[in-house]
Amino acid sequence: KAGVTQTPRYLIKTRGQQVTLSCSPISGHRSVSWYQQTPGQGLQFLFEYFSETQRNKGNFPGRFSGRQFSNSRSEMNVSTLELGDSALYLCASTRIPGRMGVNEQFFGPGTRLTVL
Amino acid sequence: AQKITQTQPGMFVQEKEAVTLDCTYDTSDPSYGLFWYKQPSSGEMIFLIYQGSYDQQNATEGRYSLNFQKARKSANLVISASQLGDSAMYFCAMREGNGALNTGNQFYFGTGTSLTVIP
Repeated sequence: KAGVTQTPRYLIKTRGQQVTLSCSPISGHRSVSWYQQTPGQGLQFLFEYFSETQRNKGNFPGRFSGRQFSNSRSEMNVSTLELGDSALYLCASTRIPGRMGVNEQFFGPGTRLTVL
Repeated sequence: AQKITQTQPGMFVQEKEAVTLDCTYDTSDPSYGLFWYKQPSSGEMIFLIYQGSYDQQNATEGRYSLNFQKARKSANLVISASQLGDSAMYFCAMREGNGALNTGNQFYFGTGTSLTVIP
């Protein structure tokens, strides 16, 4: 069974540009969550999508947005990039309901974004 | 208040010894799940173990066990017989709610503990 895939794996952008990251969940998983990971901050929750609807949103500015398609693939977009947006962006998918309510998240390899 | 607190930024353990990684959590929801993930230097997040708030027994998965103390709101990970391949970042996480179809699946993560296994 294929795992969670994220594209691209690496991105270099300059301040003020925008970027779109893509995530393909494991087949059958309808929940997709996005996280920003920076050194010392752990994983910061961005948003969760389920069946094309955003169910939860973290404390990030409106420059961060996302969407989910009917095939559960998800994209996140960051507009007007800032230097502080440099991070590893992780996508995770979940089968809901999962086995015995565990609903563990399966993570992709991440997209490393560098903003210059 | 932080939902998940990991107070050990770095830990060292001798190979073949056991090590405990601390995690405390904060929630008023009676139903929740606690998770531990491992992140090697390659960056991939690997699910290790799960404990539900209503589970009567501590979870175990091979060399991993979770020391769940509900009254103290702690969910420490115990790794027995440490191996060199255990060197990695370890994250504790929590999901509030029972994981049913109509509830959200937002996870709260701690800042992680970097474990180094010494040969």
